[in-house]
Amino acid sequence: SQQGEEDPQALSIQEGENATMNCSYKTSINNLQWYRQNSGRGLVHLILIRSNEREKHSGRLRVTLDTSKKSSSLLITASRAADTASYFCATDRMDSSYKLIFGSGTRLLVRP
Amino acid sequence: DADVTQTPRNRITKTGKRIMLECSQTKGHDRMYWYRQDPGLGLRLIYYSFDVKDINKGEISDGYSVSRQAQAKFSLSLESAIPNQTALYFCATSDFRGQGYTFGSGTRLTVV
Repeated sequence: SQQGEEDPQALSIQEGENATMNCSYKTSINNLQWYRQNSGRGLVHLILIRSNEREKHSGRLRVTLDTSKKSSSLLITASRAADTASYFCATDRMDSSYKLIFGSGTRLLVRP
Repeated sequence: DADVTQTPRNRITKTGKRIMLECSQTKGHDRMYWYRQDPGLGLRLIYYSFDVKDINKGEISDGYSVSRQAQAKFSLSLESAIPNQTALYFCATSDFRGQGYTFGSGTRLTVV
């Protein structure tokens, strides 16, 4: 069963706009990670946020984590056409010995 | 060379055939994983290995087997392929904390 569920499933925005993707999960976690996948390619690790952190930044990426609501969000600011990809959250559950469970992803389209 | 190399990149095979997908990594990590990706379902864990002598089943191990030949090599076998095993297969590796997986480029498998 999927641990993380992303919302929305698909998102289309204009270049320059911000993109926000949300992830909800079910059980307590050690950390939550976000990955990016260009069409049909391997996933690339973007950012990790630990369960005791609330916000983290990396370049144009901002991730928040609310453990009380079991949810996370990924914000991409000033989006570019090259940001077009699928984005996945993955959770490292406390009972899972550091193996990741992935959500179903958000497909982001950034229109030039 | 890529950190994680999967072979073959694409494969078409017939129902009932045995097929092996191979993965090698140059990260020097102990942990390796096999995931399957189907459209709209994200990635699901098939098998994982935390070191050469350790093999564990994931969510969807039925119909699959694995072999960890060395720290750097982890292969996935379909003993008797069936059409619903048509999918994109990914190998990944991580350090012992699982903080940031490195993925291969994937093997697109079609069972006809």
